[in-house]
Amino acid sequence: GEDVEQSLFLSVREGDSSVINCTYTDSSSTYLYWYKQEPGAGLQLLTYIFSNMDMKQDQRLTVLLNKKDKHLSLRIADTQTGDSAIYFCAETAKLQFGAGTQVVVTP
Amino acid sequence: GAGVSQTPSNKVTEKGKYVELRCDPISGHTALYWYRQSLGQGPEFLIYFQGTGAADDSGLPNDRFFAVRPEGSVSTLKIQRTERGDSAVYLCASSLHQGSTEAFFGQGTRLTVV
Repeated sequence: GEDVEQSLFLSVREGDSSVINCTYTDSSSTYLYWYKQEPGAGLQLLTYIFSNMDMKQDQRLTVLLNKKDKHLSLRIADTQTGDSAIYFCAETAKLQFGAGTQVVVTP
Repeated sequence: GAGVSQTPSNKVTEKGKYVELRCDPISGHTALYWYRQSLGQGPEFLIYFQGTGAADDSGLPNDRFFAVRPEGSVSTLKIQRTERGDSAVYLCASSLHQGSTEAFFGQGTRLTVV
């Protein structure tokens, strides 16, 4: 089965908050990552969280980690049209990625 | 160069042929990863190197796929007897070491097998 799972699609209105969820299985991961991929572009690291933290805030981004449930989420505040992309979560052990969540921001 | 460089950017080959895809990691990065990304999918882990050795090759789909990193820097992914199902974007990433806070990705090589 999948080591990292994500919901596939999220539609959000401009200015609202987006929440993207991810579950993983490898509890040995030191870090958990969120990457962004825009059409025709490479993967760009957005943010990461240490596995011994439960929250990290970075400007409009908030990462929440529930290590017990192996659940990771990314909240984007005040979502903009430029945030439309595919978002991937990944875990450290061998940098295993989820299938990605496509976020579409509508005006 | 400053980033991870992959060559060629595009490769079209005939079914049954052999191809080599090259990755130049960021200088000094000891960990190097190969992925395959099909349309609409997440990157699928293939293999990762720590230095010259393949630390984990469990993602290689079959024995047609092989990767080397003889001097702990440049890596080559080799695919023998290519099949149409091998068509995908092959991504390479490098990080300072395994488990670093950031892995940097190249732009990928788009392989099309006709």
